[in-house]
Parts: sequence; structure tokens; C-alpha cells
Amino acid sequence: DAKTTQPTSMDCAEGRAANLPCNHSTISGNEYVYWYRQIHSQGPQYIIHGLKNNETNEMASLIITEDRKSSTLILPHATLRDTAVYYCIVRFTGGSQGNLIFGKGTKLSVKP
Amino acid sequence: ETGVTQTPRHLVMGMTNKKSLKCEQHLGHNAMYWYKQSAKKPLELMFVYSLEERVENNSVPSRFSPECPNSSHLFLHLHTLQPEDSALYLCASSQLPGQSYGYTFGSGTRLTVV
Repeated sequence: DAKTTQPTSMDCAEGRAANLPCNHSTISGNEYVYWYRQIHSQGPQYIIHGLKNNETNEMASLIITEDRKSSTLILPHATLRDTAVYYCIVRFTGGSQGNLIFGKGTKLSVKP
Repeated sequence: ETGVTQTPRHLVMGMTNKKSLKCEQHLGHNAMYWYKQSAKKPLELMFVYSLEERVENNSVPSRFSPECPNSSHLFLHLHTLQPEDSALYLCASSQLPGQSYGYTFGSGTRLTVV
């Protein structure tokens, strides 16, 4: 079973920031938080990952709470092409337990 | 293009046919994966290969047979499939299982079993 809880769906206006929440209250100290997205009928695309510090790259920012029990993916200026299913995945890095296991994700719809 | 190429993109096969899905990566990765995505279901991990050795088989029926001849190529051989096997089959690669690097996915093969 996935170790994360995400809203089933969210809407966002084009040009506004999209903030996608994720709860992972049972996360352990050596588990990372990963975000992927899947645009319709394509393969998932890696967005960002982090352990405890906030992270930013050219696609998004990842904010992890101090207790690490939740995180938020931020797309600063959402475009129509950001419409996709976004997956938050908690992943242990070490041996076979480090496989990427997907849940149901959040379907983000960016509207004009 | 992500660096992971899957062929064919679409495949229709009868239940008595034998076909193969191909995945190729030139990213220098050492691990490759097969995932299955059925309609309205999460992605399911099927097989994991690390350094050309199968390290995980998630209770996949024997009508699916993976093959990894080298670190750049991964195949999924299909025989006597059922209509419920119709799905999007995705290949991914990474540096090594268990490391913190991300996975790179291909665009998938859309399989329809008739």
C-alpha cells in the first residue's frame, strides 16, 4: 500500500501557483519524499525529491514540514500543460525496499 | 524523448498470440523496471532488474516473461494473454535500485488483448 494520502483532484487557474498537499504521517527517518507526474497516457515524469530540507528546481518547489509528516509541491505559475496526475511517493533508499510504488495521486486540472 | 524508448507504442494481439515488448535506454543506468497501468488503477510494479539480474517479481503470472540481455535493453515476452491484461505497460530505468536517484520512464506500450 502507498504510504501517502493525497486529495483525489484539484483545480488551479492558469498563471497561479498550484499547491499540491501530501500527508505521510508514518514516514521514517531514511525515507525520501518523491513527486512524479503523469500526463494523460504518457509515462510518469520525475519532478523533485527531498529528505527534510526544502528543495527547488526548474520545475517546482518541495516544502517538507519540520516533522516530515506532510509536504507540499508548488508549481509557481501553472500552465495548461501542467494538467496531469501528480504522485507523492515515500521511498526508502536501500536495497529492494527502494522501489517506486505509486498510489492514486492527485489529478490537477489547470483551467484558463 | 526521455532517454527510455519503448516499442511498439500500440499493440493489439489475440489471446493465442506471442508478442514481445521492447525497452531501450542509453542513460547509463543499471536498473530497469516493468510497470503495468490498467484503466483507473495505480501503476503496478511487475519486475525489477539490477545489473541484468532479476531481483524482484511481484507475483506476476507466468504468461509474462521478462528478459534483460544487457543493461540497455529490457523485453517483456507475452503469450496466451487474457483480455484483462489489456493495459499500458511502462518501462523505467534508474542508476540502481534503492538509490535516491529518480526513475526515467518511457512513454509506454498500449496493449489491447482481443
